Amino acid sequence: SQQGEEDPQALSIQEGENATMNCSYKTSINNLQWYRQNSGRGLVHLILIRSNEREKHSGRLRVTLDTSKKSSSLLITASRAADTASYFCATDSEGGGNKLTFGTGTQLKVEL
Amino acid sequence: NAGVTQTPKFQVLKTGQSMTLQCAQDMNHNSMYWYRQDPGMGLRLIYYSASEGTTDKGEVPNGYNVSRLNKREFSLRLESAAPSQTSVYFCASRDPGRSSYEQYFGPGTRLTVT
Repeated sequence: SQQGEEDPQALSIQEGENATMNCSYKTSINNLQWYRQNSGRGLVHLILIRSNEREKHSGRLRVTLDTSKKSSSLLITASRAADTASYFCATDSEGGGNKLTFGTGTQLKVEL
Repeated sequence: NAGVTQTPKFQVLKTGQSMTLQCAQDMNHNSMYWYRQDPGMGLRLIYYSASEGTTDKGEVPNGYNVSRLNKREFSLRLESAAPSQTSVYFCASRDPGRSSYEQYFGPGTRLTVT
């Protein structure tokens, strides 16, 4: 079964706008990661946030984590057409043996 | 470095045929993983190998076998393909010694079983 559920399933915005996608999970985690997948390609790691962190930044990416609500959000600021892709959260669960459990993903389309 | 490579890129099988998907990484990573991706399902773990010489089942192992041939290579075998195994298969690797915990993915193999 999927650990992470993502919301929304699809998001369409204009270039320059911000994009926010959310992830909920079920069990205690060591860390939560976000990956991007361009159409027809493999996944690429974007950012990791540990269970004892609440917010993390990397360039135009901002990730938050609320372990009490078992949820995370990924914010992409000043989006570009090149950000068009699917975004997945993945949880590394406590006692999970360093295996990742992926969410169902959010398809982001950034229009010119 | 080539990273994680997978062969073949595309494959069409008939029901009942067998095949092996190959994966290799040149990053000296200890851990390797096989996932399948179906529309709307995200990625699901089939098998993984925490280190050379060990393999363990993931979430959806039925119908598959794996071999960790050496530290570089991790193959996935379908003994008798079924239409339900039509999917995109991804191999990934990770170095547990790194603090980043990220996985590196190959480009995928698109398999169709008719």
